[in-house]
Amino acid sequence: AQSVTQLDSQVPVFEEAPVELRCNYSSSVSVYLFWYVQYPNQGLQLLLKYLSGSTLVESINGFEAEFNKSQTSFHLRKPSVHISDTAEYFCAVSAAGGGNKLTFGTGTQLKVEL
Amino acid sequence: DAGVTQSPTHLIKTRGQHVTLRCSPISGHKSVSWYQQVLGQGPQFIFQYYEKEERGRGNFPDRFSARQFPNYSSELNVNALLLGDSALYLCASSLWDQGKETQYFGPGTRLLVL
Repeated sequence: AQSVTQLDSQVPVFEEAPVELRCNYSSSVSVYLFWYVQYPNQGLQLLLKYLSGSTLVESINGFEAEFNKSQTSFHLRKPSVHISDTAEYFCAVSAAGGGNKLTFGTGTQLKVEL
Repeated sequence: DAGVTQSPTHLIKTRGQHVTLRCSPISGHKSVSWYQQVLGQGPQFIFQYYEKEERGRGNFPDRFSARQFPNYSSELNVNALLLGDSALYLCASSLWDQGKETQYFGPGTRLLVL
């Protein structure tokens, strides 16, 4: 079984400042890792994913995450946030190989302020 | 291309009633998964179907059931509704590519049980 820990329930940050949202996972098998974003009253949107290959993955809107196997982490970073980044961010893990459920963390509410 | 669609968007039921939620996957996706997201928490896995066969089931009571149709759409049924069933129900579809899988979510159905 897999588990995910998102230690920060809320992260307030000023616009144009950098941000890091932390995610740690636990698994006895190889994993795939994901970050999803949820805007108010909406479903989940895939932000970025690690399936294999380069451990640094990037999204089209400036977010990046790095898979660190030794530290079992997949932290999400952005060098300069915008007001529109205000949302709930969920880290998720699944066992590698396909056909496996996603296990989510409890989410981190990112609030970008002027 | 159209994303995952779900119907209805909102639903209000009373305790003891039953409910049917519907999901249409992204064209070409053969796997559908259902998740329950209670307010303030991360989504919890309920079911996964692939090619009309149940591939996984989360820790939910037998009041919850699902099925997948030949066109890969899916229904989630919940009988004898309880107040605690109030949640956002998310459907995700996925395509397995060389053992790698990414789940894409629909907008969800928000169920309120009174």
